[in-house]
Amino acid sequence: EAQVTQNPRYLITVTGKKLTVTCSQNMNHEYMSWYRQDPGLGLRQIYYSMNVEVTDKGDVPEGYKVSRKEKRNFPLILESPSPNQTSLYFCASSSGHRNQPQHFGDGTRLSIL
Amino acid sequence: GDSVTQMEGPVTLSEEAFLTINCTYTATGYPSLFWYVQYPGEGLQLLLKATKADDKGSNKGFEATYRKETTSFHLEKGSVQVSDSAVYFCALRLNSGGYQKVTFGTGTKLQVIP
Repeated sequence: EAQVTQNPRYLITVTGKKLTVTCSQNMNHEYMSWYRQDPGLGLRQIYYSMNVEVTDKGDVPEGYKVSRKEKRNFPLILESPSPNQTSLYFCASSSGHRNQPQHFGDGTRLSIL
Repeated sequence: GDSVTQMEGPVTLSEEAFLTINCTYTATGYPSLFWYVQYPGEGLQLLLKATKADDKGSNKGFEATYRKETTSFHLEKGSVQVSDSAVYFCALRLNSGGYQKVTFGTGTKLQVIP
């Protein structure tokens, strides 16, 4: 079954404690992306990757890091999380063509105290 | 920069009513346009898409037409059902100068009552 898998689904942690949210896809997609969803703001793109070792900033990259060492994986790293990063996060993947829709994971709800 | 503007919700309709959710965009190039739907507790899933001017996307009774002259991609359905209650997102995807960003609207929550 084609899917995008995120882990964990829920996480409560404290300010400053490094965390990683993993994302994996099994569709051999070139393009992967991270979004955060906040009430009244919709989805905002954090980082995206056009292919292995190729990443670029989205609209709200501050406080986040990503890496793309393998085609299937695109982890999101919060080196020093802060309360304003409390949000619902989605990973998505697609082929590299602009005509193609993205496939979304089920989301990761992060609470940073 | 690129942007997508959706009508604010929530939108509350009675079952079998006509639905329109407005979406307009600004883009520096020639984007593809998408509508996604998010049911409670789930991720987004594609509802329909259009990739060039005058294309009409359709799925599950929903339709939207890519209008380049008005930079719009309004979502319509002739008769909504309770099961259509969800949040709807308009989005554009654009290649520009070697990068490819995706921009979403803020989402419109639809509630359909029996």
